[in-house]
Amino acid sequence: DAEITQSPRHKITETGRQVTLACHQTWNHNNMFWYRQDLGHGLRLIHYSYGVQDTNKGEVSDGYSVSRSNTEDLPLTLESAASSQTSVYFCASSPGGLDYGYTFGSGTRLTVV
Amino acid sequence: SQQGEEDPQALSIQEGENATMNCSYKTSINNLQWYRQNSGRGLVHLILIRSNEREKHSGRLRVTLDTSKKSSSLLITASRAADTASYFCATDSGNTPLVFGKGTRLSVIA
Repeated sequence: DAEITQSPRHKITETGRQVTLACHQTWNHNNMFWYRQDLGHGLRLIHYSYGVQDTNKGEVSDGYSVSRSNTEDLPLTLESAASSQTSVYFCASSPGGLDYGYTFGSGTRLTVV
Repeated sequence: SQQGEEDPQALSIQEGENATMNCSYKTSINNLQWYRQNSGRGLVHLILIRSNEREKHSGRLRVTLDTSKKSSSLLITASRAADTASYFCATDSGNTPLVFGKGTRLSVIA
């Protein structure tokens, strides 16, 4: 069965370190997204991609970067982790076009100490 | 910034009762979607209603959309303990990714 997987599920890192969160989907979806979820803020968009070599900034992109070298993967990199980036991170994908819902991964809980 | 805002923030009901959650949004949309999130899990797509639709059903779910008021409601009939979760509305305005509200936490007490 097709799926979207995130790894790791939990990570603790130190302030200033570079961290990469993985997202891999086997749906062959063109569109992929990264959101972060924090209490009181709901889900906020970090970066998104509409296809290979395409990346775009979202609402809260500062301190984050993504790259899309193939259809299946959209890794999220925190260049220099900060305590404000402690959050739960969700990756999602969709086929593209009108009237499609998103398929979400199970999330990565990141703690920056 | 949030496009959709759910109301209430939290809702507690008895098993068998109906649960109604509301969502208001600010700009024109192509469609509005509802998602469920169980504790510690990712969001799951429940239902999508297009801007030219007024009502849609899926099993025990009923969604309405009033574009003149920029609002939507999600009704879950005959609630079960397994319906306990957070519910989010999300708006699709066409050329940008989905924008999610902050969610309604539903507790169904057995």
